[in-house]
Amino acid sequence: DIQMTQSPFSLSASVGDRVTITCRASENIITFLNWYQHKPGKAPKLLIYTASTLQSGVPSRFSGSGSGTDFTLTIRSLQPEDFATYFCQQSYNTPWTFGQGTKVEVK
Amino acid sequence: QVQLVQSGAEVKKPGASVKVSCKASGYTFTTYYMHWLRQAPGQGLEWMGKINPSGGSADYAQKFQGRVSMTRDTTTSTIYMEMRSLRSEDSAVYFCAREGVGLPAATFDYWGQGTLVTVSS
Repeated sequence: DIQMTQSPFSLSASVGDRVTITCRASENIITFLNWYQHKPGKAPKLLIYTASTLQSGVPSRFSGSGSGTDFTLTIRSLQPEDFATYFCQQSYNTPWTFGQGTKVEVK
Repeated sequence: QVQLVQSGAEVKKPGASVKVSCKASGYTFTTYYMHWLRQAPGQGLEWMGKINPSGGSADYAQKFQGRVSMTRDTTTSTIYMEMRSLRSEDSAVYFCAREGVGLPAATFDYWGQGTLVTVSS
């Protein structure tokens, strides 16, 4: 199975900050990498697919980059509604696997 | 709008079975593959398998083969996940998710809100 490792596990930030989360795959997944946002008690939300394609309706302050084994999710200017957990997922090979998640908390 | 609404929390004893439902609305039910995933406390998400709502065929992650069944009811646009021989390690939040059409495989564009299953004696 492909292992997905996210860092950091959590981070504290303020509104307006630039936030960067990384995800590393245990093998080359080309750009088959998705990012999701999850708030407690809510349905997870697809933000980015194929590493850098913004899902329809997602604000442009979210962006993704990377290929191969190393990927990054960037939130350009953190908004109050962005405090949540973010997780990556590889869609290269079954079983589909996920990172542990990164919790973005209020500083 | 697309909605996936899951059934409520369950508490089960070890060795019992649980059946979780996920009712879809806002789109053509038979067009999109549906997946089940789970997240145990402090762990990342784990993919369990998928079902084709059109024909009803299902594929399971190796870990869950023989212990999990995924079915669907096209008359109510609902999918089901049944897990047998429950153990404490199965305590988790279970999610259904829709696989997007026109997106790479296993890109989940809509999710249910999650169902907490607690296995405890």
